[in-house]
Order: sequence, then structure tokens, then C-alpha cells
Amino acid sequence: SYELTQPSSVSVSPGQTARITCSGDVLTKKYARWFQQKPGRAPVLVIYKDNERPSGIPERFSGSSSGTTVTLTISGAQVEDEADYYCYSATDNSVVFGGGTKLTVL
Amino acid sequence: EVQLVESGGGLVKPGGSLRLSCAASGFPFSDAWMSWVRQAPGKGLEWVARIKSKIDDGTTDYAAPVKARFTISRDDSKNTLYLQMNSLKNEDTAVYYCTATKYCSGGFCNAHNWGQGTLVTVSS
Repeated sequence: SYELTQPSSVSVSPGQTARITCSGDVLTKKYARWFQQKPGRAPVLVIYKDNERPSGIPERFSGSSSGTTVTLTISGAQVEDEADYYCYSATDNSVVFGGGTKLTVL
Repeated sequence: EVQLVESGGGLVKPGGSLRLSCAASGFPFSDAWMSWVRQAPGKGLEWVARIKSKIDDGTTDYAAPVKARFTISRDDSKNTLYLQMNSLKNEDTAVYYCTATKYCSGGFCNAHNWGQGTLVTVSS
């Protein structure tokens, strides 16, 4: 089975750029998605197909991919972006989430 | 508006069984690949099981920790997803979310919707 590895925490000041990485062999074969989860809430899709943004997601959220690593970038992070972020990928017979990264913006 | 509403959670003793349901609306349910994802208290997201649409052969896949104990199924006539959980263990305690992907609506084919979750507590 595949694994996705994320840092457990990232911290930035408001207005700075936050970068969260996700690494795994499956990412050379399949696209990644990123989810944002705030306390007590269900996750929300913020990036799909490595770097596409669903409608309604602010432009400061972007994604990129290189080899076995994908990166979620939040340009000019705001206090309301403080949340847990999970990467995700899926194959024909399994699904995998990264362990999650707690983003602190203060 | 897409809605996924889970039900059936509760307190159950180790070794017991529980059946979760997820009522779907606002999108073409029969086209969607449906999954259950769980989150133990204070922990990350863990995929549990997935069922493809019938047009994509309707196959099921399971995470290793639940294989042979859990069964995912769907009733497209009722727009409802199920998860039958048997031989429950303490470590199955979690919020269980229903998710929907792989359908097209309004020209967008990359939605990934989540319900609000239902809490399953396994304890003696």
C-alpha cells in the first residue's frame, strides 16, 4: 500500500507564504488533492489535480508538483487559514491520506 | 446543493456490530464513487472503504485494518450508501464521514464532497 508523508506542523505570520509538502511514490502516477479541515468541521477540498483550485477557494491557495512531492502554497496566509491540511491520492484499488499538517498563522 | 447526511453512529461494545447510512442528494448519486473516511479523536483522516459506480463495475476496496470486518454497499434507487461494521474494536472509535467523488455536475467533474460525520464509540 502507498503512504503519503507530511510535516506535522508549519507556522507562519499573517501575510507570509506558507508551504506544506506531501511526499510519496504514488504521486509520480496519480494526482494529489488537498483538504482543509477546521476544528469540528468536515474537510473541504482546496486543490485537485495537483494544482487546480475549485470555485470558491481563494486565489492565495495554489498547488505544485515535482516528482514524488506535491506542495500546497498559501500566499499571504491569513488568520482564517489556520487549520489542518491533508494531502490525498487514489489508485484503482486504494485511497491514501497524508498524516496531516497543522498550520498555525499568528 | 449537494448533501450527504450520515446516521447510525452510537455506542457499541467491543465485538458488536453497527450499520451506518449516508443519504445523498443534489448530485447524480449513481455516477459517484462513494467512500467512508474516519477520524479518531484528535487524529488524522483515515480512508476506510470505497465503492465505485455500477457503470465503473461497482467494485469495493477496503483499508487493511477493516478488511473482512466491514462491508460497504450502495442502493442507487434510494441514493444511500451503507457501511456494515462487524467485530468492532476499541480502535474503530472515530467520526465516520461519507464522501462522494468522480461525478460530473454543472460541467465540473472534480468535486469531493463530505458529510458532517457520525460518531462511533466502541467501549465496554
